[in-house]
Amino acid sequence: DIQMTQSPPSLSTSVGDRVTITCRASQNIIVHLSWYQQKPGKAPKLLIHTASTLLSGVPSRFRGSGSGTDFTLTIDNLQPDDFATYYCLQTYSTPPYTFGQGTKLEIK
Amino acid sequence: EVQLLQSGGGLVQPGGSLRLSCEASGFTFNAYEMNWVRQTPEKGLEWVAYISPNGRTAYYAKSVQGRFTVSRDNAGNSLFLQMHSLRPADTALYYCASMNDFVPGWGQGALVSVSS
Repeated sequence: DIQMTQSPPSLSTSVGDRVTITCRASQNIIVHLSWYQQKPGKAPKLLIHTASTLLSGVPSRFRGSGSGTDFTLTIDNLQPDDFATYYCLQTYSTPPYTFGQGTKLEIK
Repeated sequence: EVQLLQSGGGLVQPGGSLRLSCEASGFTFNAYEMNWVRQTPEKGLEWVAYISPNGRTAYYAKSVQGRFTVSRDNAGNSLFLQMHSLRPADTALYYCASMNDFVPGWGQGALVSVSS
């Protein structure tokens, strides 16, 4: 099974900062990688699919990159609404699918 | 807009059974694969089961293989998760989810608590 290693587990940041979250896959998943945002008490929300394609309506300050085994979610000019937990998800080939462990963005 | 309305869940004793349901609307349900995902504070998000659009193919996480069964009723736009031989480790918030890139959506979650 493919393992996903996401880092860091948490990040203390400020409004206006740039944030980078990484996910590393245990094998080549090409670009079958999505990024989700989850706020307390809510279901996860898809932000980016296919490693770098922003879902319609997602602010352009969110950016996904990478291919193969290494992927990055970058958030520029962090806004108050962005403080949440972020997860990567690999959906390469047939299941099992695997989530990263999550990264919680906290206000410094 | 994808809408997934879940029902089921609750408190069950170890070894017991429970059935979760998920009613879909806002998209062509029978054209898309569906999944069940669960979440705990300790383990985060864990993919549980997948079912193909026609319902003929299913995959399961090793942790639930042989105990859980995913099914769907395309005529009724509904997804199900039948859970047997439940264990305390199955305690979690369960989501139905379309993880398709073009029609993404998650249910509101159903809490399953396995305890004596």
